[in-house]
Amino acid sequence: DTGVSQNPRHKITKRGQNVTFRCDPISEHNRLYWYRQTLGQGPEFLTYFQNEAQLEKSRLLSDRFSAERPKGSFSTLEIQRTEQGDSAMYLCASSFPGQTFGYTFGSGTRLTVV
Amino acid sequence: QQPVQSPQAVILREGEDAVINCSSSKALYSVHWYRQKHGEAPVFLMILLKGGEQKGHEKISASFNEKKQQSSLYLTASQLSYSGTYFCGTVLRGSQGNLIFGKGTKLSVKP
Repeated sequence: DTGVSQNPRHKITKRGQNVTFRCDPISEHNRLYWYRQTLGQGPEFLTYFQNEAQLEKSRLLSDRFSAERPKGSFSTLEIQRTEQGDSAMYLCASSFPGQTFGYTFGSGTRLTVV
Repeated sequence: QQPVQSPQAVILREGEDAVINCSSSKALYSVHWYRQKHGEAPVFLMILLKGGEQKGHEKISASFNEKKQQSSLYLTASQLSYSGTYFCGTVLRGSQGNLIFGKGTKLSVKP
């Protein structure tokens, strides 16, 4: 297993455009998480899935953000009508079910909105 | 709900010890600790589930005081490889289980 894979590694987009990121978790993990991290800050929780079910979504997340995990395997995070404030590193992580396991993070997708 | 970490930064010489603290204003189910090196993803170090639990990982260990809603990470005889930013993450009691991270403690180990 090669760990958690995220694509693309970098994305530069113009303000107002839509972007989509992909995350492929570790195959044995059925929980998948999305976080956003800006410089000098800790990862900020966005949403998480158990299998294909989206169990929680941050109240801080605007309606421009949506995430899916069809068939409980890979996940996509879409940001519509991007704003400069969306520029950040978007991290995906996966874990075994339950609350007793640590997370394995991917290398992230760095989004720059110009 | 975000846990508070202290100190924000610490500089050590190789071989010195350090303690990083993490506290929450709400009751905790568990505490995670991660290390992130510059430009890399956070790496899981350990999870603490029970009040008073202590765990060790090489020369890095941690404790969890459930009553005080606090956890501490202990780094002994630090090595250059310990440099990075350490994050605690907390899962609140009664929550859906999502992990909320603190702002991090930047640790620099000098030769």
